[in-house]
Amino acid sequence: DAGVTQSPTHLIKTRGQQVTLRCSPISGHKSVSWYQQVLGQGPQFIFQYYEKEERGRGNFPDRFSARQFPNYSSELNVNALLLGDSALYLCASSLGGNRETPQHFGDGTRLSIL
Amino acid sequence: SQQGEEDPQALSIQEGENATMNCSYKTSINNLQWYRQNSGRGLVHLILIRSNEREKHSGRLRVTLDTSKKSSSLLITASRAADTASYFCATDANNYGQNFVFGPGTRLSVLP
Repeated sequence: DAGVTQSPTHLIKTRGQQVTLRCSPISGHKSVSWYQQVLGQGPQFIFQYYEKEERGRGNFPDRFSARQFPNYSSELNVNALLLGDSALYLCASSLGGNRETPQHFGDGTRLSIL
Repeated sequence: SQQGEEDPQALSIQEGENATMNCSYKTSINNLQWYRQNSGRGLVHLILIRSNEREKHSGRLRVTLDTSKKSSSLLITASRAADTASYFCATDANNYGQNFVFGPGTRLSVLP
């Protein structure tokens, strides 16, 4: 079975631009979470969506938004990009949406802001 | 500040030796999880331990949890070169959903 897939794998943008990252969860998984991982640090929670509704939001500005589609895939949008947005963006899916369900991570999208 | 803090930040051992990594956290938790991340890849879930559990095993992995000290440890026995990776602990930040808080991780290098 295919794992969590993310696209694109790498992306280069300039300050002020907008970006959309995509995630396809494992088949049957209804929960998708997004994390930002700055080099040398642990992942930081951005959003969780479960059954197409926002289940949780981390401490990120309103420039960050996300949605989940009827097929449970998800998009993360970031507007007005800043240099500090350069990071690895990870998507994780899980069967259920509760805290005891293990998450399965994709290999991420490496976003570089020039 | 982050909920979980791993220590040491980096660890280098010889193949066959045991590796121990520690995680401390600040607030009460419902469960604690450990993940592994190979360079340039996503995270892989290793083990989950609930707040009412003290020890859990999975293959060569042994996790302990001491809620009175707000700390956990991950022991990898008989390490292999393939265990070279970063290891993160993650705690649930609230009682709802998957808003997990990860520590900065321990970078483990297993030398052949």
